[in-house]
Amino acid sequence: GENVGLHLPTLSVQEGDNSIINCAYSNSASDYFIWYKQESGKGPQFIIDIRSNMDKRQGQRVTVLLNKTVKHLSLQIAATQPGDSAVYFCAESYTQGAQKLVFGQGTRLTINP
Amino acid sequence: DSGVTQTPKHLITATGQRVTLRCSPRSGDLSVYWYQQSLDQGLQFLIQYYNGEERAKGNILERFSAQQFPDLHSELNLSSLELGDSALYFCASSVGVGRGTGELFFGEGSRLTVL
Repeated sequence: GENVGLHLPTLSVQEGDNSIINCAYSNSASDYFIWYKQESGKGPQFIIDIRSNMDKRQGQRVTVLLNKTVKHLSLQIAATQPGDSAVYFCAESYTQGAQKLVFGQGTRLTINP
Repeated sequence: DSGVTQTPKHLITATGQRVTLRCSPRSGDLSVYWYQQSLDQGLQFLIQYYNGEERAKGNILERFSAQQFPDLHSELNLSSLELGDSALYFCASSVGVGRGTGELFFGEGSRLTVL
């Protein structure tokens, strides 16, 4: 069945280093992928998205990479800051949009000073 | 602040009871989505409404129901509550029906504890 899972439940990085958060998906029909950030006590917040016809997309300090061959998605955060501490979720969709998003379990990113 | 308002923030009730969670979407957003977040299941899509009509259904139990009113606010009704229903319930909204973008605006959630 549909399953979006994350390789690592926790990730600790030094402040200023780059962070890479990984995600595997199993539904080959998924054509749209999104990363969300959830800070403690808050709802998820959209970070960046990518469609299946792309393999890379860049935002402000973030880059999402998509490898459809191995059904792998990653989020790279450059120069990680304390404010980046949060749980990061990947989500997949086969509707090219927000309907029926399937979220992964999440990776907790902690920043060491 | 996402602009999505959820009430109550916390709710404690007993098994067998019924509760109603309320959501006001961002101004101008026509779609409302309900998600359940629990420790063992992560974020699970429950149901979506667009301009008052049900548009998509996920893993929503028959004991749960939702509706969207003419003023676009939405309510999620949970009945015959069980211990396993304890979770964070999130409401999210989007401008359109949900096609073309996966950007949802989430509220801060309603934490339900069933004792």
